[in-house]
Formats: sequence, C-alpha cells, structure tokens
Amino acid sequence: EAQVTQNPRYLITVTGKKLTVTCSQNMNHEYMSWYRQDPGLGLRQIYYSMNVEVTDKGDVPEGYKVSRKEKRNFPLILESPSPNQTSLYFCASSHGQGGSQEEQYFGPGTRLTVT
Amino acid sequence: GENVEQHPSTLSVQEGDSAVIKCTYSDSASNYFPWYKQELGKGPQLIIDIRSNVGEKKDQRIAVTLNKTAKHFSLHITETQPEDSAVYFCAADPWGGSARQLTFGSGTQLTVLP
Repeated sequence: EAQVTQNPRYLITVTGKKLTVTCSQNMNHEYMSWYRQDPGLGLRQIYYSMNVEVTDKGDVPEGYKVSRKEKRNFPLILESPSPNQTSLYFCASSHGQGGSQEEQYFGPGTRLTVT
Repeated sequence: GENVEQHPSTLSVQEGDSAVIKCTYSDSASNYFPWYKQELGKGPQLIIDIRSNVGEKKDQRIAVTLNKTAKHFSLHITETQPEDSAVYFCAADPWGGSARQLTFGSGTQLTVLP
C-alpha cells in the first residue's frame, strides 16, 4: 500500500530535550516536505526536500532541522524544543516532476506537546 | 510571498444542500490550486485540483471554479452527505505549477447535519 508513515504519532516532551520525528514514504517520491498545523493558521511549510541531500527552508523553519540521506526518509529534528513548537506536524511527499502527478500525499500526523 | 485567504471558517448545511467554500490568493504567478479534505485524526487528502488554463473542473458531486482575473477559486459540493463533514483546505502554488511549495488557506470546518 502506498503510504507516508510518521513516528511517533503522539509525543509529550519538555523544553530543551532534543527529539526527532521520523517520516518515511514507499512511493519512490523525490519530493518531501514537513508542515505544521495550528488552529486558524492552516498548514505552514517548515522545510522541503527536492531530492537526496537537497533541502531548503519553507515559511517557518526556525527551531527545526531536517536531513535527507535516503530518498524514502525525511526526519524532522527539534534540537531544543520550546512550548511554541507545540503543534500537529505532517510529512508529505510527491513525485516532484510537475504536470499531472503533483498530488501531495500526507502522513497521519504527529501531535507534539512541549511543556 | 503567496497569501491565501479562505472563507468561511465554519459552515453548517443540511444534508442534501450545497456547500461553497471560497479562497482568494495574492500571487498572480500561482497556477495550481488543489483542495484537500482532512477527516478527524487523519492527514489531508487531495479531493480535486485545478490549473490556471481551466476555468472549472468537476468530479461527481465536487466542482472547483477558478477566476484568475479576480484571483479567487471556489469549491462546490452538491447533494451533501454526512460523510462530507470534515475540514477543507484550499491551497495555491506560488512556483508556477510544480506543487512543491503550497501555501494553504486557514481551513473550513464543514458540518453536514442529518
């Protein structure tokens, strides 16, 4: 089954304790992205990657890091989480080739609470 | 950068009635406009999209219209059913159709009352 998986689905942590949210896709997609969803703000892009070893900042990258060492994986790293990073996080992937195959497939989400 | 505004934020309709959600965008370079449906506890899922060379697109009970001159596009759901209840997001692609960097609206919570 074609899918994007994220782990963990729920995470409660304390300020300053480094954490990683994993994302993996099995569709051989070149493009992957991280979004955060906050009430009244929709989804805002954090980082995106157009291929292995190619990453770039989205609209709200402060406080986050990413890496793309393999095509299928795109982990989101919070080196020193703060309460304002409490949010619902989504990973997404797409072919990245343009044209009619640009549907972004979203993972199930990770709800992060930083106390 | 691109800015997408979405209205209304909440919408309640009776089962069988139509629902319309409207979005406006700011960047005239945008030419790909998808709509996503997000059910409770799940990630957004694409339900329909439109590109700027088309004014209207329909898929069964769902249709999207685009007015590039006015920079707005709308989602129309006819004969609504309880399973249509969800949060709907519009989005615009400010990079000319690659869909790699979507700017999303703030979402509309649609409730279909039985």
